[in-house]
Amino acid sequence: DSGVTQTPKHLITATGQRVTLRCSPRSGDLSVYWYQQSLDQGLQFLIQYYNGEERAKGNILERFSAQQFPDLHSELNLSSLELGDSALYFCASSTDHNTEAFFGQGTRLTVV
Amino acid sequence: GNSVTQMEGPVTLSEEAFLTINCTYTATGYPSLFWYVQYPGEGLQLLLKATKADDKGSNKGFEATYRKETTSFHLEKGSVQVSDSAVYFCALSDTGNNNAGNMLTFGGGTRLMVKP
Repeated sequence: DSGVTQTPKHLITATGQRVTLRCSPRSGDLSVYWYQQSLDQGLQFLIQYYNGEERAKGNILERFSAQQFPDLHSELNLSSLELGDSALYFCASSTDHNTEAFFGQGTRLTVV
Repeated sequence: GNSVTQMEGPVTLSEEAFLTINCTYTATGYPSLFWYVQYPGEGLQLLLKATKADDKGSNKGFEATYRKETTSFHLEKGSVQVSDSAVYFCALSDTGNNNAGNMLTFGGGTRLMVKP
């Protein structure tokens, strides 16, 4: 158990809908990262938050957004969902931006 | 930009065989290098890491040496077990670039299947 908790584990929704994925980092970790794992794109970095502020941005679509709350948990919001958004979404956390990251078990999103 | 290339799988081996999974990288800064493992239905687990040239990371019988001259970080294990069957990801983190946070750039993953 990495200590990073992601909910829900599975999510099935229809095209055009909006979903929210939640991540609770390890106790004491200030950085939260979101990654997308899909069959065609592999594992891609989406976005990082550090102590409530956006720290780095990767290949995140404009339809996607994230935030980190004062209690350090994070949410990834995906809107206007398309079939191609079906993927495994991982959250990871680390103590700061220069230490190794620990991954949650992921949320499997299926868009039908 | 940064990139990681690793050998495509699947790699199928018999138990107790020697394992090598090749990984090469391109980076603009001074990366740290990692191997992560993903068991079926689970998240990514850090297997080993190396933070500077000539460092050797090791864990659970797996080893990888940071080779700056060949920009490589090949994963090896002397004797694989059925329980090692998983997907292995090579990754880098450009920790020398403070503007990049600690984002990981992953290779495409290599599936290892070990038969009894």
